[in-house]
Amino acid sequence: GESVGLHLPTLSVQEGDNSIINCAYSNSASDYFIWYKQESGKGPQFIIDIRSNMDKRQGQRVTVLLNKTVKHLSLQIAATQPGDSAVYFCAENNANAGNMLTFGGGTRLMVKP
Amino acid sequence: EAQVTQNPRYLITVTGKKLTVTCSQNMNHEYMSWYRQDPGLGLRQIYYSMNVEVTDKGDVPEGYKVSRKEKRNFPLILESPSPNQTSLYFCASSPTIAGSSYNEQFFGPGTRLTVL
Repeated sequence: GESVGLHLPTLSVQEGDNSIINCAYSNSASDYFIWYKQESGKGPQFIIDIRSNMDKRQGQRVTVLLNKTVKHLSLQIAATQPGDSAVYFCAENNANAGNMLTFGGGTRLMVKP
Repeated sequence: EAQVTQNPRYLITVTGKKLTVTCSQNMNHEYMSWYRQDPGLGLRQIYYSMNVEVTDKGDVPEGYKVSRKEKRNFPLILESPSPNQTSLYFCASSPTIAGSSYNEQFFGPGTRLTVL
């Protein structure tokens, strides 16, 4: 299958622990942020999003935190499972630039059983 | 099943031989986009289209062309491929309405292109 590439920051966690994946974004005008998960052999898959007028949003086992002061985004995964092993990308969207998404470089999450 | 499809999934070609990678979505999405993914560089947008007959350059458009003659299809054309276009390509679509900031994109499975 298709793979992303081997030269990524890697986070290794024990099954059942919580994971925190961080992302720094560049454009203070970005109004919408998204986290994507990419498993080996597949295209990126939407996980959760947050608008710039919020600082926290929760989904099922996932939470996204947004700190606009330092332009920092994080994804928290509770009770990490082997199926969470993947590469995670943050993306920022600027509605004033044709809704073009700009992606971060990605972080590889490895879950140890 | 709602999906984005790409063809071919794998392609090996030689420098200068024109090729087209097709992309089709069955979700009636207005917005479609092409990305390339390279190690250490993440996903970079090549071209996007807000609707039929409307296309715009992304971050890395050089060496690529696109067309959007109908809503469901958004082919990527490499008129004269070069080795630096060896990459993993993804097509994506979203139901973005013009002026909205909502942009959850649905990605295809990817096309691995090697240019010798």
